[in-house]
Amino acid sequence: DAMVIQNPRYQVTQFGKPVTLSCSQTLNHNVMYWYQQKSSQAPKLLFHYYDKDFNNEADTPDNFQSRRPNTSFCFLDIRSPGLGDAAMYLCATSRVILTDTQYFGPGTRLTVL
Amino acid sequence: AQSVTQLDSQVPVFEEAPVELRCNYSSSVSVYLFWYVQYPNQGLQLLLKYLSGSTLVESINGFEAEFNKSQTSFHLRKPSVHISDTAEYFCAVSGGTYKYIFGTGTRLKVLA
Repeated sequence: DAMVIQNPRYQVTQFGKPVTLSCSQTLNHNVMYWYQQKSSQAPKLLFHYYDKDFNNEADTPDNFQSRRPNTSFCFLDIRSPGLGDAAMYLCATSRVILTDTQYFGPGTRLTVL
Repeated sequence: AQSVTQLDSQVPVFEEAPVELRCNYSSSVSVYLFWYVQYPNQGLQLLLKYLSGSTLVESINGFEAEFNKSQTSFHLRKPSVHISDTAEYFCAVSGGTYKYIFGTGTRLKVLA
């Protein structure tokens, strides 16, 4: 089945130690998104790619970076994780922006020690 | 600027009873509205959406939502819930800019 896959499902890192989260899709969608979701809060958009065009939200910390080497893969890099970065990270895809359905992966839960 | 408010963080309801999950939004432009459901240990899945046309939209599993422009609402309803409907439900809005704004979610707990 076509889907959005996130690896790993659970990630533990140490304070300040760089970490990379991975997302892949078999839907061949143009747009890929990264969201941060903290407990009892709404998913918060960090950035998205439309093809290779990167779009950063104004309030996304510089500590967060992203790479999209090809249509299928997108990575979230956290350069120096702080305790406040512990959250669920959700990857999503859509064919086009704005009105289109977003397809979500199961998420990666990040713990920072 | 856009915002979405889901006033109820948790809604307990007995099986076969009706339920309404509330969603209100604010926006200065025309909007598109969505409801997503998140079952335990799974990603969010689209339940239904309003883009244009009929203000009443339905999902395949018996949920419906009505776009009410005057009240800026998009409440989700089901006349008779099942245990399997236990999940977290997120309302989302887009329009004017490229991004979705999600509400904080409502946890629906269906009791036997």
